[in-house]
Amino acid sequence: GAGVSQTPSNKVTEKGKYVELRCDPISGHTALYWYRQSLGQGPEFLIYFQGTGAADDSGLPNDRFFAVRPEGSVSTLKIQRTERGDSAVYLCASSSLKGADTQYFGPGTRLTVL
Amino acid sequence: RKEVEQDPGPFNVPEGATVAFNCTYSNSASQSFFWYRQDCRKEPKLLMSVYSSGNEDGRFTAQLNRASQYISLLIRDSKLSDSATYLCVVNNQGGKLIFGQGTELSVKP
Repeated sequence: GAGVSQTPSNKVTEKGKYVELRCDPISGHTALYWYRQSLGQGPEFLIYFQGTGAADDSGLPNDRFFAVRPEGSVSTLKIQRTERGDSAVYLCASSSLKGADTQYFGPGTRLTVL
Repeated sequence: RKEVEQDPGPFNVPEGATVAFNCTYSNSASQSFFWYRQDCRKEPKLLMSVYSSGNEDGRFTAQLNRASQYISLLIRDSKLSDSATYLCVVNNQGGKLIFGQGTELSVKP
């Protein structure tokens, strides 16, 4: 079956703009995770959804970052007033059970803030 | 101090060599452990889970020492296709994964 998909694959924006990044998890997966990966680093956790609710948003760096998953499937990560330091690859992952199953990653969205 | 620390890279080895990666983690309550592989400009993919009893998958052997909070990955008879970044990963309560910074491996002919 289809894996995790993310759109867009690349996004270039200007400092101060608003961006939305979309994640389509594997069908039937109830848990969805967002991570951010900077060059030369491992991915860093941002937020995790179990169903429609954010079960853990402790990794969101500040209130410019927000994520939703209104129907328990597709999720959107929203970044307001983007800064150059937000440039990174944003990875989404899904798993069938909270904390109990392999997380499958999407190809990521490469965000560049000029 | 980072929660998961790995050997700095890159490791440059000839085909057929045996290479070992080491990793330490700081949270003694960590519950599960993994090695992920990440190819250049691609997403991380699970290579193998790591158990206290040690586990092997073909040329790959992973070990966990909970007392020392130490994880290792051994690759025997390395292939050109093993060239990638290897990420040590820990799962604490709640499901979020904590990644090390990764160690780059380059296998040369």
